[in-house]
Amino acid sequence: AQSVAQPEDQVNVAEGNPLTVKCTYSVSGNPYLFWYVQYPNRGLQFLLKYITGDNLVKGSYGFEAEFNKSQTSFHLKKPSALVSDSALYFCAVEVAAGNKLTFGGGTRVLVKP
Amino acid sequence: DVKVTQSSRYLVKRTGEKVFLECVQDMDHENMFWYRQDPGLGLRLIYFSYDVKMKEKGDIPEGYSVSREKKERFSLILESASTNQTSMYLCASSTRAGNTEAFFGQGTRLTVV
Repeated sequence: AQSVAQPEDQVNVAEGNPLTVKCTYSVSGNPYLFWYVQYPNRGLQFLLKYITGDNLVKGSYGFEAEFNKSQTSFHLKKPSALVSDSALYFCAVEVAAGNKLTFGGGTRVLVKP
Repeated sequence: DVKVTQSSRYLVKRTGEKVFLECVQDMDHENMFWYRQDPGLGLRLIYFSYDVKMKEKGDIPEGYSVSREKKERFSLILESASTNQTSMYLCASSTRAGNTEAFFGQGTRLTVV
């Protein structure tokens, strides 16, 4: 069975400081990894994905994530957080060609001015 | 602009009613998913479908069924609604390749009274 863990329910950060949202996964096989963001009263929006190749992937709105196979992690990062980054962030995993997309519990990010 | 459309944004139903949640996508995607989102629990997969008339149970299928008679439409059915099925329901679609992002609808907030 595949699973995703987001160990922090909430992350608080001051505007301008670096932001990190943690994600670890468990799968049998090669993973496809995704980050999504949900703004209040909105559907989920895709941020970035890791499929293969370079372990550091860059996505929308200045976000990036690093795939670490040995630690089975895929942490989301942003060098300088904005108040507008305050939202709910979800990590997701899909086994290559497996079709089933599994999400973590979500991490609420609060960026304070 | 690509779209996943859920038929209702808000629904209120009575305990014991049969409830239909409809989802339509216009991207010719093979995969479609139904999730429920609850605070602190993230997104949990109810059912998914990778082709017309094909369906697979997700992590919490009990009390639900699905129907996919046409490629663009994926319906979630609550056979006999119960109060513990009060939740936000999200529909999503993606290509079969598995290495592309899923697109989400706006969600249906269902309240069972």
